[in-house]
Amino acid sequence: NAGVTQTPKFRVLKTGQSMTLLCAQDMNHEYMYWYRQDPGMGLRLIHYSVGEGTTAKGEVPDGYNVSRLKKQNFLLGLESAAPSQTSVYFCASHQRSYGYTFGSGTRLTVV
Amino acid sequence: EDKVVQSPLSLVVHEGDTVTLNCSYEVTNFRSLLWYKQEKKAPTFLFMLTSSGIEKKSGRLSSILDKKELFSILNITATQTGDSAVYLCADLTQGGSEKLVFGKGTKLTVNP
Repeated sequence: NAGVTQTPKFRVLKTGQSMTLLCAQDMNHEYMYWYRQDPGMGLRLIHYSVGEGTTAKGEVPDGYNVSRLKKQNFLLGLESAAPSQTSVYFCASHQRSYGYTFGSGTRLTVV
Repeated sequence: EDKVVQSPLSLVVHEGDTVTLNCSYEVTNFRSLLWYKQEKKAPTFLFMLTSSGIEKKSGRLSSILDKKELFSILNITATQTGDSAVYLCADLTQGGSEKLVFGKGTKLTVNP
């Protein structure tokens, strides 16, 4: 089915390792977002993009980088993972008048 | 900085009870307020409220927005165990970014 696909779904990293989370959407949405969710914290915005080739910082951007080279993909990178980045990561895409569509999440553990 | 505050943070009720969840917001460019239900996975959309005083309903769930007092409530009547979830409130701002700013959520537990 059409929607937002996140890969991987689970990952365990050692402190200092790097990784990239991929978000892909096939709805031709302009806007894409990366959120993290920690227990009792709701969802907090890491970075977002308002169109291909653009990115901007959200509420908690430190330790993360993003890229949106193609409209359908939004990549979230961790250059040097830290235990504080243990979280569940959600990607979302959005188009005005159509609302938000969330991916199923990536559970990341940094040990 | 935009702020969304939900209360209570957690709530335990018995099946058949009626519950009211609260959401207050302080935002500079308000456009809409959204409610989501989250059950151990991605949030699922419930309601989007843009106009004050107009109730939105979906089965046993309903929600209303008060733009003067800057709050919204989500009501669930005749609760069922399947209503157990975290309910998230989020503000959708104007200004080009279309960002959602979430509250911390209310964890609802419905016991049989």
